[in-house]
Amino acid sequence: AQKVTQAQTEISVVEKEDVTLDCVYETRDTTYYLFWYKQPPSGELVFLIRRNSFDEQNEISGRYSWNFQKSTSSFNFTITASQVVDSAVYFCALTYGGATNKLIFGTGTLLAVQP
Amino acid sequence: EPEVTQTPSHQVTQMGQEVILRCVPISNHLYFYWYRQILGQKVEFLVSFYNNEISEKSEIFDDQFSVERPDGSNFTLKIRSTKLEDSAMYFCATRRTVLNYGYTFGSGTRLTVV
Repeated sequence: AQKVTQAQTEISVVEKEDVTLDCVYETRDTTYYLFWYKQPPSGELVFLIRRNSFDEQNEISGRYSWNFQKSTSSFNFTITASQVVDSAVYFCALTYGGATNKLIFGTGTLLAVQP
Repeated sequence: EPEVTQTPSHQVTQMGQEVILRCVPISNHLYFYWYRQILGQKVEFLVSFYNNEISEKSEIFDDQFSVERPDGSNFTLKIRSTKLEDSAMYFCATRRTVLNYGYTFGSGTRLTVV
């Protein structure tokens, strides 16, 4: 079965703290892609990153970094020095081989950054 | 940067009425999707559409739902007889090719059934 698990329902931090959002995935496919999306209170889905299954290099983009570990089927997302504007729901998602390549989303983690 | 445009942004409808949600895909994209997000819940796949036909649909996508691309530009989702539980945010997403796994999401239509 293809599945994405985000065990953290809500996280609350104080501004400038670092925070890590966990994502664990399940898939039988050897070729797959993982994504992170941000959903601010306005409701739209903002693309953050896409990573394919053959690229386990960690990625850093400003205050954001991603740790992809195939051995533990995890694709965790860290925000360094969090800011109030980071407050949002964050979704991890998976797509795999097949004609339609639909996205399978996790249940999301609500991040609240307090000033 | 090219965008996927969804209209309306918010629609309120009476139970039992038909609604049509519209999406204008990016012009060179070939794969189209509708997703649904009930308030406070995860984003769920409804249907995918390629080459003018449905390629996959979820269990949610029952006979009350239909999709079409009537004029080669707009991609529509129709709900024939809305129920209270259809209240949700509906997202359209498009993708260029099989080898390009980047999805572009529209900003969503919030449907409220009263």
